[in-house]
Amino acid sequence: AQSVTQPDIHITVSEGASLELRCNYSYGATPYLFWYVQSPGQGLQLLLKYFSGDTLVQGIKGFEAEFKRSQSSFNLRKPSVHWSDAAEYFCAVGKAAGNKLTFGGGTRVLVKP
Amino acid sequence: NAGVMQNPRHLVRRRGQEARLRCSPMKGHSHVYWYRQLPEEGLKFMVYLQKENIIDESGMPKERFSAEFPKEGPSILRIQQVVRGDSAAYFCASSPQAGGTDTQYFGPGTRLTVL
Repeated sequence: AQSVTQPDIHITVSEGASLELRCNYSYGATPYLFWYVQSPGQGLQLLLKYFSGDTLVQGIKGFEAEFKRSQSSFNLRKPSVHWSDAAEYFCAVGKAAGNKLTFGGGTRVLVKP
Repeated sequence: NAGVMQNPRHLVRRRGQEARLRCSPMKGHSHVYWYRQLPEEGLKFMVYLQKENIIDESGMPKERFSAEFPKEGPSILRIQQVVRGDSAAYFCASSPQAGGTDTQYFGPGTRLTVL
């Protein structure tokens, strides 16, 4: 069975500092990996996705993620956070058939002025 | 192009009542997924539907929950005889077709509160 772990429940970062959110997955085949962001009381917005090819993926809002098969990781990064990046971030894995997504528990990001 | 629409956005029910949650997928999308987000948790898959077919309901509770996606109209998630533990945010997502390279687009969710 597939699973996703986001080890950090909360992260606090100063505005302008860099951000890295960890995601580890367990999946028996080639994973299809996603990062979504959820602002309070809102739905989920897709930040980026990885299916194949270049292991460094660029997304919206200045985010990027790197797929490392050897570490079963898909960590999300941003070089310089903005106050508007305060939100909850979810990593998810899907499979080719059926396409249901398995989500991690989420990481809540707080941005200090 | 309108996104995924869900209504109502907030729903309050008393224990024992029925809750009906609606989801209209994005234009051109024929696949719908329902997820539930309990307080302070991530999203959990419930059911995957195509028009007039349930493809995967492995995440649906065995009792009181049902889902449909008719030929015409929105997808409906129905919860009968609601209990307090059903209080959660219910998200619908849609995609154009099934397959690992496809992306799911999420609606704003329906927040169900059971009193």
